[in-house]
Amino acid sequence: AQKVTQAQTEISVVEKEDVTLDCVYETRDTTYYLFWYKQPPSGELVFLIRRNSFDEQNEISGRYSWNFQKSTSSFNFTITASQVVDSAVYFCALSEADAGKSTFGDGTTLTVKP
Amino acid sequence: DGGITQSPKYLFRKEGQNVTLSCEQNLNHDAMYWYRQDPGQGLRLIYYSQIVNDFQKGDIAEGYSVSREKKESFPLTVTSAQKNPTAFYLCASSNREGGKNIQYFGAGTRLSVL
Repeated sequence: AQKVTQAQTEISVVEKEDVTLDCVYETRDTTYYLFWYKQPPSGELVFLIRRNSFDEQNEISGRYSWNFQKSTSSFNFTITASQVVDSAVYFCALSEADAGKSTFGDGTTLTVKP
Repeated sequence: DGGITQSPKYLFRKEGQNVTLSCEQNLNHDAMYWYRQDPGQGLRLIYYSQIVNDFQKGDIAEGYSVSREKKESFPLTVTSAQKNPTAFYLCASSNREGGKNIQYFGAGTRLSVL
């Protein structure tokens, strides 16, 4: 069975601080996808990134970066120079290659204070 | 604009009543999903459908029913058998080919019991 663990329930930082959200996953599949989604107060989840199991390159997109380490089954998300608009719940998710459906972690609530 | 439309935004259910949540997508996606989110918790999969006229139970299907008569529509009925229906319900769709397994979400429906 698949499992996604986001050990940090809530994180609070001051604006301009860097923050890393942890995600650890379990799966027996050799081919799978990992995702991060953002859920702002409005409620709608917004897709941020997808990484497949064969691509361990780290990725940077503006202030966001993702570190995928297959050896430790982790897919961590770092926000550099955080801003108040980054305040949201962030979900990590895992999907089998052909099943389509995803398993979500419980989410990490990030609060960025001015 | 392409996207997923959920309606209504807020819904109230009387005891013993069935209610139906609407989900429509114009993204031409094959797969559609229904999730339930309780306060402070992650997303739990209720039902999903990978093709018209076919759907599968997710992790918490009891007390819910769905239909998939058209590609663009995946309504969810919360039946009277669901004893604790108060939650935030999210619908999603995905294209399993190009943007493999990336799910796009609607804005959600908040269901409360009167």
